[in-house]
Amino acid sequence: DAVLTQSPLSLPVTLGQSASISCRSSQSLVYSDGNTYLHWFHQRPGQSPRRLIYKVSNRDSGVPGRFSGSGSGTDFTLSISGVEAEDVGVYYCMQNTHWPPTFGPGTKVEIK
Amino acid sequence: QVQLVESGGGVVQPGRSLRLSCAASGFTFSRYGMHWVRQAPGKGLEWVAIIWYDGSQKYSADSVKGRFTISRDNSRNTLALQMNSLRVEDTAVYYCVRAETMDMWGQGTTVIVSS
Repeated sequence: DAVLTQSPLSLPVTLGQSASISCRSSQSLVYSDGNTYLHWFHQRPGQSPRRLIYKVSNRDSGVPGRFSGSGSGTDFTLSISGVEAEDVGVYYCMQNTHWPPTFGPGTKVEIK
Repeated sequence: QVQLVESGGGVVQPGRSLRLSCAASGFTFSRYGMHWVRQAPGKGLEWVAIIWYDGSQKYSADSVKGRFTISRDNSRNTLALQMNSLRVEDTAVYYCVRAETMDMWGQGTTVIVSS
């Protein structure tokens, strides 16, 4: 299985500041078709997860422009430029390049 | 309105069975592969099972293999998860999720396995 590790696991941030979350894979996430199936999800307290970013850097519809994804191979980053109160919660990376699909452990973002 | 609505959760004793359902609406259900993903209390996300858009292929996690069966009825726009031989460690919120890249999630249904 492709193991995903995230850092940090806890991220206290000040409103308006930028934040970054790292996701590293135990294997390259480049698929044979050339795509990289690494995605990011956000789960607010008491809610279902919501996909933010798909295939490394593509923002889903309705996702604010302050969210961006980057990376390649085994190292990926989710960046938030100017954290807002609604951004609190847990962020997960997930891969479905390799079988089975796997999730990172999650990074909890909270406001200082 | 595009949505997934799970049902069928509840409290069940270890060793018993439960069947979860997911009703899809607002999109062409038969065009999408579907997953079940679960989340134990206070824990992260765990993939459980996937079924191809046409039901031709199904796969499940090692932790549930041989006990859980995913199925779908494209004529009724429904996804199901038959859970047999339930264990305490199967206690979780179970989410119905659309597409291989998990672009849409239901609200979840809670399964508690306890004696």
